[in-house]
Amino acid sequence: DAKTTQPTSMDCAEGRAANLPCNHSTISGNEYVYWYRQIHSQGPQYIIHGLKNNETNEMASLIITEDRKSSTLILPHATLRDTAVYYCIVRNYGQNFVFGPGTRLSVLP
Amino acid sequence: EAGVAQSPRYKIIEKRQSVAFWCNPISGHATLYWYQQILGQGPKLLIQFQNNGVVDDSQLPKDRFSAERLKGVDSTLKIQPAKLEDSAVYLCASSPALVWGNEQYFGPGTRLTVT
Repeated sequence: DAKTTQPTSMDCAEGRAANLPCNHSTISGNEYVYWYRQIHSQGPQYIIHGLKNNETNEMASLIITEDRKSSTLILPHATLRDTAVYYCIVRNYGQNFVFGPGTRLSVLP
Repeated sequence: EAGVAQSPRYKIIEKRQSVAFWCNPISGHATLYWYQQILGQGPKLLIQFQNNGVVDDSQLPKDRFSAERLKGVDSTLKIQPAKLEDSAVYLCASSPALVWGNEQYFGPGTRLTVT
């Protein structure tokens, strides 16, 4: 079973920041938080991952709370092409990725 | 860099028939994965290869599913005989390393419909 809880769906206006929450209250010290997304009719795509510190790359920012029990993926300026299912996964190196149902993000014009 | 290739993209078969899916991973990637994704759910790992050896096939229904990666490059997943509940998208993914690789790169998937 997935170790994370995410909202089923969210909407975001085009050009605004999309903030996708993830709850992982049972995360252990060696487990990383990963985010993938899946655009319709495509395979999942890696976005970002982190352990304790906040992370940023060209796609998104990952904010992890100090107690590591939750995190937020931020898409700073959402576009219509960001409409997808977003998966939050908790995983230790060497373990398999276990995907839950994810959050369906709809970016609205 | 070429991505993970899969074929066919779509397949419709009747129950009790056989079907095979093909995957060619990114060049140089040692680890290959097959996932099953049922509509509305996240992908579920079926089998994981490291080069041509099986690392994890604990979730593969071995009475009807089989997979091979004979030369450590491309791979085939077979279902024989198919059941209605096998209708799903079958995703192949690859990564450069088994333990320390952060990212899995996914192919577009094969959508199987069993009637």
